[in-house]
Amino acid sequence: NAGVTQTPKFQVLKTGQSMTLQCAQDMNHNSMYWYRQDPGMGLRLIYYSASEGTTDKGEVPNGYNVSRLNKREFSLRLESAAPSQTSVYFCASSEADSVLTIYEQYFGPGTRLTVT
Amino acid sequence: AQTVTQSQPEMSVQEAETVTLSCTYDTSESDYYLFWYKQPPSRQMILVIRQEAYKQQNATENRFSVNFQKAAKSFSLKISDSQLGDAAMYFCAYRSYDNYGQNFVFGPGTRLSVLP
Repeated sequence: NAGVTQTPKFQVLKTGQSMTLQCAQDMNHNSMYWYRQDPGMGLRLIYYSASEGTTDKGEVPNGYNVSRLNKREFSLRLESAAPSQTSVYFCASSEADSVLTIYEQYFGPGTRLTVT
Repeated sequence: AQTVTQSQPEMSVQEAETVTLSCTYDTSESDYYLFWYKQPPSRQMILVIRQEAYKQQNATENRFSVNFQKAAKSFSLKISDSQLGDAAMYFCAYRSYDNYGQNFVFGPGTRLSVLP
């Protein structure tokens, strides 16, 4: 099993350019997430998808859009990149929470994005 | 809103010694989960240990153990017999049952160095 994979690993964009970060998981997880990691701030949730066909905003959704293409894939799109979006982006997945337990999240290797 | 604080931006430990990383959190909920994640230079986020708030017994995973003090809202991680491979960023994370998928809050992280 590859777990959670992300492409690309590195990307440099100019202000105003657009791009899509791809994420896929092979663990048959229902829930998927996109985080950004900035120095001194830990990880902050951008968007999540509790199940196929649903997406919801997290803590910092502005400037981003997402698509849950199918159960395996969850993409993050930057329509018009800004320098403030320079960050490391992580995709994660987990089994669906139940009333009995909350499951840990499995993370991809991250994408380092620089916007100049 | 819940918050997670890690008051030690950096820590160091001698190889084979023991180190404790601190984490405090703020919540009004009674049922939740706490996690410690490790992020080595490879950037991959790896689950180290988890603790259910309703369990009084502290979780242990090999050389890693926690000291969970629910009343004090404290969740420290103890690493025994430290190894060079333990060098990484460590993130404390909080997750509640509310707002499935959304309420997963990370602390800012502690960078641990292991000295040979």
